[in-house]
Parts: sequence; structure tokens; C-alpha cells
Amino acid sequence: EAGVAQSPRYKIIEKRQSVAFWCNPISGHATLYWYQQILGQGPKLLIQFQNNGVVDDSQLPKDRFSAERLKGVDSTLKIQPAKLEDSAVYLCASSLEAANTEAFFGQGTRLTVV
Amino acid sequence: AQSVTQLGSHVSVSEGALVLLRCNYSSSVPPYLFWYVQYPNQGLQLLLKYTTGATLVKGINGFEAEFKKSETSFHLTKPSAHMSDAAEYFCAVSENSGYSTLTFGKGTMLLVSP
Repeated sequence: EAGVAQSPRYKIIEKRQSVAFWCNPISGHATLYWYQQILGQGPKLLIQFQNNGVVDDSQLPKDRFSAERLKGVDSTLKIQPAKLEDSAVYLCASSLEAANTEAFFGQGTRLTVV
Repeated sequence: AQSVTQLGSHVSVSEGALVLLRCNYSSSVPPYLFWYVQYPNQGLQLLLKYTTGATLVKGINGFEAEFKKSETSFHLTKPSAHMSDAAEYFCAVSENSGYSTLTFGKGTMLLVSP
């Protein structure tokens, strides 16, 4: 069974530039999550999708971050414009359904904003 | 609101020694509890989880954890550390309801010396 795929693995951009990350969850998984992991901290949920609908985006900085999951499968997370404090690893995860089932994580995208 | 506290950002043990990583949580409803491991430049991998039933949970790689409701704790243990156990460990909690999401602790880096 293929795992959660993310690309790119690494990205370096200048502040005020835009960047996009892509995630392909495990086939059949209805729930998809984007987490932000700043160095030295645990992952923090940015947004959770159930199929193509947003369940929780309360911690997503909506003035600069956006995410979509148009067909209920792949997802993209965009930052525009990026700030220095956005430097982090962005983890995508998926699970069969929402809550209480195991979430499988991708390897993440390490973003450095200079 | 739910939260997780992991005591000690770094824990050092000798190979063959007992591993004990501490986790305390707060939750307004019965929690589901998880331990994840993260190797360098990798995503998170589930070690074990507690949902309901037996409070002593066994996971992969010889790890186990015990849910103690009275102490609001879910400490992770392994009788004998191996060099390959060196990694960062995250405790997480989700509420036993609907579209609950994972809230992670800040992580504990386990260092294993020969």
C-alpha cells in the first residue's frame, strides 16, 4: 500500500514570495490533514478536510494561507506572501475517516523562508 | 480544549537501559491517546494508541504505555533501549467525539548511548 506522498521535499524561498505544497493521501482515505511543525515543537493542525469539505481550519492564518481539496483526493496548501516565521516542516496526513482512526503521515515538506 | 505536556525535551539513556518518556494530558471528555515516533527527515509513525478497554497498550518495537485516568498520564516505556530507538517521540490526544483532531505535545528527543 502506497503511503502519503508529498512534494516537494524541500523548498527555499524569499519572504513575500508565494509557495505551494502538494499532497496525495492514501487511496480511500476520506480525511486529510495539513500540519505545521516548527523546529522544536510538535505538529500543529492547520486544516482538516473530510472528503472535499473543510472540517476545521480554525488555526489556519487565512490572510496568507489557503488550502483546497477539490475532488476529495489530492490537496494543495499555498502560502502567499510568505513570512520568515513560516519556516517549518509542513506535514500532510490522511486517515480512513475523521477522528479516532490512525492518521498516516507523509515525509513532509521543509520550507525555509529567507 | 485539550492539551498535552511532555516532560523533558531530551532524555538520555544507555543502550539496554529502561526508557521512560512522560506525557500528561488534559481533556474535557474521555480522550484517545497516541504516541508517535519521528526519525530525522521523516514523517510521524504511530507507535501505539489507547482508545478504550485495556489501559496497558502494547505497540511496535517493544514499546508500551499505560493510561492512568487518575493521573491524566500516558507515559511511554520500553524495558531495554536499543540504538535504533534514538528519535523524537510525540504524545498526542484527541477527544472521543466526531471530527476531533490530534493535539500534539512538543516532543521528547530520545538519545541512546552505547
